[in-house]
Amino acid sequence: DQQVKQNSPSLSVQEGRISILNCDYTNSMFDYFLWYKKYPAEGPTFLISISSIKDKNEDGRFTVFLNKSAKHLSLHIVPSQPGDSAVYFCAATSGGSNYKLTFGKGTLLTVNP
Amino acid sequence: NAGVTQTPKFQVLKTGQSMTLQCAQDMNHEYMSWYRQDPGMGLRLIHYSVGAGITDQGEVPNGYNVSRSTTEDFPLRLLSAAPSQTSVYFCASSFQGSGEQYFGPGTRLTVT
Repeated sequence: DQQVKQNSPSLSVQEGRISILNCDYTNSMFDYFLWYKKYPAEGPTFLISISSIKDKNEDGRFTVFLNKSAKHLSLHIVPSQPGDSAVYFCAATSGGSNYKLTFGKGTLLTVNP
Repeated sequence: NAGVTQTPKFQVLKTGQSMTLQCAQDMNHEYMSWYRQDPGMGLRLIHYSVGAGITDQGEVPNGYNVSRSTTEDFPLRLLSAAPSQTSVYFCASSFQGSGEQYFGPGTRLTVT
């Protein structure tokens, strides 16, 4: 049973517009959520995270929103740039166990010039 | 800092062969983990370690062994390779407590 779900395998947006990537989770013990970006033939790189005590975290063009009651989080990228084209993974963990991340299947974002 | 390094980058094995995937980090992180990524799947945790001498199983541990004799190194051993172990393997490390894991560049393994 998948505990972290990214239901959109792919997303295509125009440069300059907003990209919204969604993630749902089922395990109510999760209290820390992360987004990773992955280019082909490279390891995932950390993008942004959010603790369950917050509902929003911003870092430059990237904002993550957390809705605990809906067990849903989203990553907003504004404005989107062609260099943002990559696979984005949502991940979750609990109790400070950041050595045990549970990942979603990923969403391939394509930003068209 | 080199961060997390993995060797080799690519490997082809025949069914039944054994090999060790190497992982090292120079950030003095307490925690280290191994994940595998298969097509259309997210990363799945194989084994992890919370410190030298301490290891435990993740979600998909069968067919793999690990050890952690030093803080820096966390090798992953395939005892008898099977085609089902064809995958991309990522090693990661992190500080104790919440915070991100840092990933290595991966090892692409093919078992024929």
